[in-house]
Amino acid sequence: DAKTTQPPSMDCAEGRAANLPCNHSTISGNEYVYWYRQIHSQGPQYIIHGLKNNETNEMASLIITEDRKSSTLILPHATLRDTAVYYCIVRSPGNTPLVFGKGTRLSVIA
Amino acid sequence: KAGVTQTPRYLIKTRGQQVTLSCSPISGHRSVSWYQQTPGQGLQFLFEYFSETQRNKGNFPGRFSGRQFSNSRSEMNVSTLELGDSALYLCASSLVGTGSSGANVLTFGAGSRLTVL
Repeated sequence: DAKTTQPPSMDCAEGRAANLPCNHSTISGNEYVYWYRQIHSQGPQYIIHGLKNNETNEMASLIITEDRKSSTLILPHATLRDTAVYYCIVRSPGNTPLVFGKGTRLSVIA
Repeated sequence: KAGVTQTPRYLIKTRGQQVTLSCSPISGHRSVSWYQQTPGQGLQFLFEYFSETQRNKGNFPGRFSGRQFSNSRSEMNVSTLELGDSALYLCASSLVGTGSSGANVLTFGAGSRLTVL
């Protein structure tokens, strides 16, 4: 079962920052937080991952709270092409696969 | 560098038939995972192969099977197809697989969309 809770849907105006929350209150010390997104009918695309520190790459920023019980994915300047389902996944290192929940459907509106 | 390649992209079968789907991972990636995606159940893990060995298996009946070759290419097979097997089948590759003590980033292919009539 997925270990995360995400809102089912969100809207964001084009050009504004999209902030996608994820709750993972049962996360343990060695579990990573991953974010993937899936644009309609395509394979999921990796965005970013983190363990304890905030992370930033060319696509997004990941902010993890100090207690690690929640995180926020930030798309700094959302475009229409960012419309997708965003999945927040918590996974232990070791012999466990990525388990996808239902994700958040982000709609970027012109 | 080339991404994960899945073939065929689309196929139509009838109930009772069997199907084989193919996945070529990113060069150098030794782990291949398979997922099934349906509107009702979402993305569900099928199995993972690493160095030709099945390392993990999801909760699917024995009609679903897979294998991995020495060049890391993988195939999955579904026998005695049922209507409910209609789905998008996704393959993902990674460098280290689920056995890693650190992060394991998956790169997904575009999927094979199977329709069972």
